[in-house]
Amino acid sequence: QVQLVQSGAEVKKPGSSVKVSCKASGDTLSNYGISWVRQAPGQGLEWLGGIIPILGSTYYAQEFQGRVTITADESTSTVYMDLSGLTSGDTAIYYCAGGLTLLDVADYWGQGTLVTVSS
Amino acid sequence: DIQMTQSPSSLSASLGDRVTITCRASQAISNFLAWFQQKPGKAPKSLIYAASSLQSGVPSKFSGNGSGTDFTLTISNLQPEDFATYYCQQYTSYPLTFGGGTKVAIK
Repeated sequence: QVQLVQSGAEVKKPGSSVKVSCKASGDTLSNYGISWVRQAPGQGLEWLGGIIPILGSTYYAQEFQGRVTITADESTSTVYMDLSGLTSGDTAIYYCAGGLTLLDVADYWGQGTLVTVSS
Repeated sequence: DIQMTQSPSSLSASLGDRVTITCRASQAISNFLAWFQQKPGKAPKSLIYAASSLQSGVPSKFSGNGSGTDFTLTISNLQPEDFATYYCQQYTSYPLTFGGGTKVAIK
């Protein structure tokens, strides 16, 4: 089974961008669909989008369309989530989560990456 | 988008109690529903998939039921490790959507 390890915490200025990575080990990335889910302080879970690396297909929630880009580098078994136009409302823990495909239960989760947006 | 509505948003229960959490979808999702448990400072953990199938290693005190639009998660014999927040999620169509969560606290 796969383990997902995310990059470390980030502090960003409003208007800037952040790129968070999610590295898979223990299994090939091609066997999974990877979603990005965020959780604002004290709030619930929100799906931003996901990628099926073997197909190169990406899907985004309408709310984040145009601001989020999810990519995969199969040579390094790493998925990236790039979020632009940051505001204080984007302060959250960002998780990557993997299932057999995107339209499947996410059995595997990264440890989370705290992104703080502050001037 | 499919809206997922959980109730209650929080509940208090005693050790040994049995509790039931409800999740309602805004349109039929067959059985493409998962339940997650999240403890403070931790990533969510998958408990149930396909509405009623237990993930490997999850104790049988957790059970899920439902199909279409109405679903339940039941936890029997509550123990200290069960006090957490629980989320439902539909995975039948994009965007994947979660319920608002139910926090289970000790009475």
